[in-house]
Amino acid sequence: SQQGEEDPQALSIQEGENATMNCSYKTSINNLQWYRQNSGRGLVHLILIRSNEREKHSGRLRVTLDTSKKSSSLLITASRAADTASYFCATDAGTGRRALTFGSGTRLQVQP
Amino acid sequence: NAGVTQTPKFRVLKTGQSMTLLCAQDMNHEYMYWYRQDPGMGLRLIHYSVGEGTTAKGEVPDGYNVSRLKKQNFLLGLESAAPSQTSVYFCASSPGVGRGQETQYFGPGTRLLVL
Repeated sequence: SQQGEEDPQALSIQEGENATMNCSYKTSINNLQWYRQNSGRGLVHLILIRSNEREKHSGRLRVTLDTSKKSSSLLITASRAADTASYFCATDAGTGRRALTFGSGTRLQVQP
Repeated sequence: NAGVTQTPKFRVLKTGQSMTLLCAQDMNHEYMYWYRQDPGMGLRLIHYSVGEGTTAKGEVPDGYNVSRLKKQNFLLGLESAAPSQTSVYFCASSPGVGRGQETQYFGPGTRLLVL
């Protein structure tokens, strides 16, 4: 079963605009992570936010977490064509296996 | 460091054939995982390992077996391939439990087509 659900499923914007992706999940988490996947490639870790954190920044990325609503958002500011990729949220329930449960992803297209 | 590597990159099987996918990591990570990715479904966990000699079932383990005889390698086996196993398979590893060790590092994937 999919823990996280991303919204929107697809997003097309112009270079320089901001892109916002949302993720909702169902069960309690230890942390939530965002990954990027370029077409035909493996996933690359972007940022991790813990359950006791509300907001985190990394370069042009800003992640928020609302555990009361079981939701997170990823904001990419001043987007570039190179940001074109699929973005996945993944939740870590904190069990010993440290396995992640992934959402179905948001496909972001940044037009030059 | 090569990170996480997967062999082969692409394979075509006939129904009923068997094969083994190899994952290797050179980061001395304790935890290793096998996921499959189907269109529009995100990644789903097949099996995982929390250390050399250990394996455990994930979300979708049926039709697959795994082994972790060496810390750096994690093998995924399909004993009798079925068309439903057509997918892209990703291996990942992470350092272990504990704060700061949660990030997973992914291989480039193996694309498998079962006819």
